[in-house]
Amino acid sequence: QSALTQPPSASGSPGQSVTISCTGTSSDVGGYNYVSWFQQYPGQAPKLVISEVTKRPSGVPDRFSGSKSGNTASLTVSGLQAEDEADYYCSSYAGSNNYVFGTGTKVTVL
Amino acid sequence: QVQLVQSGAEVKKPGASVNLPCKASGYTFTLYYMHWVRQTPGQGLEWMGMINTRGGTTIFAQNFQDRVTMTRDTSTSTVYMELISLRSEDTAIYYCARENIVGGVLENWGQGTLVTVSS
Repeated sequence: QSALTQPPSASGSPGQSVTISCTGTSSDVGGYNYVSWFQQYPGQAPKLVISEVTKRPSGVPDRFSGSKSGNTASLTVSGLQAEDEADYYCSSYAGSNNYVFGTGTKVTVL
Repeated sequence: QVQLVQSGAEVKKPGASVNLPCKASGYTFTLYYMHWVRQTPGQGLEWMGMINTRGGTTIFAQNFQDRVTMTRDTSTSTVYMELISLRSEDTAIYYCARENIVGGVLENWGQGTLVTVSS
């Protein structure tokens, strides 16, 4: 199972929006609506910010939103804030109780 | 609240094995699958496998099938991940993560255990 492809970096100024893509195949991203996004600060464990493509867990700001088209999922962070500077990883269910993660994207707030 | 507590850092020599615990609390242990994910230094996340905490059945990623074992102790609400034949490339932070009850989402994570493999 190959890792899902994410851009290595993305950036935006405070108040702007940034969108991160996550490209897989029809065997993972395209085949299931079980795409999640995780935020990770240095030295910390990943934290779930989007599940099942579009769902925001309790406590996650509504600035975070997810979508999917075909084999590519996307995470959009609107109204960027300094605290959004972190690494972001997507993951997808890949069938037969297997999961696959993305390569990760470092978001910088300029 | 849900808590997944992992043990402290370990240093192992090449060829050795490591057995990492993940103690769960704050919920009914046997209702949720547990997964293990690792993160190598400066690299991304890699799914290793999962265990059905009720029946003990396991599924492993192809990359680890020959070297990993996952077990659970329902009396202490603890899952264990053993990785054998360690090599330097196994130096990583190992996380346990609880899957949500309906499936498909790794919603709670332990704090991770750093394993360093070095001669």
